[in-house]
This record gives sequence, structure tokens and C-alpha cells, in this order.
Amino acid sequence: GEDVEQSLFLSVREGDSSVINCTYTDSSSTYLYWYKQEPGAGLQLLTYIFSNMDMKQDQRLTVLLNKKDKHLSLRIADTQTGDSAIYFCAEVLYGGATNKLIFGTGTLLAVQP
Amino acid sequence: DAGVTQSPTHLIKTRGQHVTLRCSPISGHKSVSWYQQVLGQGPQFIFQYYEKEERGRGNFPDRFSARQFPNYSSELNVNALLLGDSALYLCASSVDRGVEAFFGQGTRLTVV
Repeated sequence: GEDVEQSLFLSVREGDSSVINCTYTDSSSTYLYWYKQEPGAGLQLLTYIFSNMDMKQDQRLTVLLNKKDKHLSLRIADTQTGDSAIYFCAEVLYGGATNKLIFGTGTLLAVQP
Repeated sequence: DAGVTQSPTHLIKTRGQHVTLRCSPISGHKSVSWYQQVLGQGPQFIFQYYEKEERGRGNFPDRFSARQFPNYSSELNVNALLLGDSALYLCASSVDRGVEAFFGQGTRLTVV
């Protein structure tokens, strides 16, 4: 089935690290993504990881992938108030000639000053 | 460098009407996908077009249709609007299928 799961809410203090978790379904997914959505806005691609990687670091962002458990996480170091947003993980599902992104329900990150 | 642009940004329609939403992909991108995001949920896949051909369709009724033009821009059409069609409609473009997909700001459709 197509079901990407995320916890709904995370609250952290400014300067702390945030860890957002995601469980995906398709072990054949080649790419896994993290998107950020601010209120009233579209989706901003933050980072993605190829399935043959365990970890990817990009400035304050670290993505960890556990393929065995189909678990993906996004760590944001030194979280700032500007990081407050909804974060979506997504996996790519291939079917015939098409590919589509399957999104989780999103995790609302609230950063307290 | 222009990103993905969508128009209009907001739209209010009455039940039973039809609507056309427009998307211009990033220059050089040949793949356009459409997603529907209902409030409080993640985006759901509607269509994918690549090189002007439909390559995939999500679980949406035939009231939803789309097309891609020779300049790779795209239109999403929805007929016989229902209240449940109220959502943020997102367009994504990519160079080819499956790699980085960049989203526009979306069109907020409200059906009353």
C-alpha cells in the first residue's frame, strides 16, 4: 500500500536540534525527499537522499536512512524560529511510465524562542 | 531564475462550475505533475505529463483533466466542481521523471 507516516507535531526551543521522523512503505523507492511548507505557501525542496546511501548532510540538515526498517529522519541543527513550518517526507513510486511522489501527512515544527 | 509559476494564486468558484489552473515549469524542465493538497493533509498525485504526453494519473474522477503544451506549460481542468474540490493545487516540474521535483506556490481553490 501507499502510506507514508509521520508524527504530527514537534516543539523545540531555538538553538536545539530537531529530529523529524518518517516511515515509508516501498522498499524499491530510489529517492526519498524532505519538503518544507510555510503557511500559505507551496513546497520547498530541502534535500533528498538516494536509497543506496545511509546519510546525507547539507549544512544544518542531516538525513538518515534505515532501509531495513524503511525509516527516514531529518535532523535540523541549531533550529531557528524561521524553521517553523510543516515538513513532509515523500517517496517516489514507479509504475509503468510514470513516477509519483507519495507524501506523508506532514509534521508541524514549532520553534519556541 | 524563474521558478515554477502558477496562476491564479486564489480562486473562488461555485458548485457545478468548471475551473482551469495554469502552470509554467522551470525553463528546461519537460515534466509537469499536478497535486491536490486538502487542508491538513499531504499532497495527493493527480497527473504527470512528460514531453506533452500523459504518463500517469492518480485516483481522481474523470472530472479532472490536464494537458501539456509544446512550451511545456500545463493546464489542469476540473469540471462540475464539488465542495470537496476545495484545496491547494500544486504544480511540480522536473528535468525528467523521478529526480528533483520543484513545486510552485500553488493555486488555492475554494468552492462555495
